Amino acid sequence: TAGITQAPTSQILAAGRSMTLRCTQDMRHNAMYWYRQDLGLGLRLIHYSNTAGTTGKGEVPDGYSVSRANTDDFPLTLASAVPSQTSVYFCASSRGAEDTQYFGPGTRLTVL
Amino acid sequence: GQNIDQPTEMTATEGAIVQINCTYQTSGFNGLFWYQQHAGEAPTFLSYNVLDGLEEKGRFSSFLSRSKGYSYLLLKELQMKDSASYLCAVREGDYKLSFGAGTTVTVRA
Repeated sequence: TAGITQAPTSQILAAGRSMTLRCTQDMRHNAMYWYRQDLGLGLRLIHYSNTAGTTGKGEVPDGYSVSRANTDDFPLTLASAVPSQTSVYFCASSRGAEDTQYFGPGTRLTVL
Repeated sequence: GQNIDQPTEMTATEGAIVQINCTYQTSGFNGLFWYQQHAGEAPTFLSYNVLDGLEEKGRFSSFLSRSKGYSYLLLKELQMKDSASYLCAVREGDYKLSFGAGTTVTVRA
């Protein structure tokens, strides 16, 4: 089973450009999440979605947007990238908001 | 919000035992998770505690004391493959997870 997939694996992006990170899960999980992981800071929640059609802001939402048109997909968009958005981005999902979260393989993004 | 503290690094010998402590301060508590993360890989779920006490899973055990805001992850019979970062995460009342910065464990032969 694929579980959670993310694309691309890595990307170098010029500052000011837009970028969409893709996340797809095949477990029919209701809840999905986007985190960024920076050295010394741990994982920080960017946005989340408890069910298709709804989204919410996490701890560090500025500069990012998400949509949840269906159960399987949860794309993360950077409208105008800045160097401080250089990070490793992990998508996660859980059956419900109260259940264990499982993580995708991550996308390493460098903004120059 | 959450304040979650865990040591930055620990080193131990193959076959030994290591205990990783995690302390937290929270306005709401709905469970504590431990994840393992190998370098360059995704975090993988290890354990979950919501009630006080010890949960054992093979070589790994996790303990929780809600009154003290304290948990530990115990790794027994250490193997080289246990070299990784271990992440403590607290679930708040609204079910969001807050993560500590992680403890990097190095297992030496």
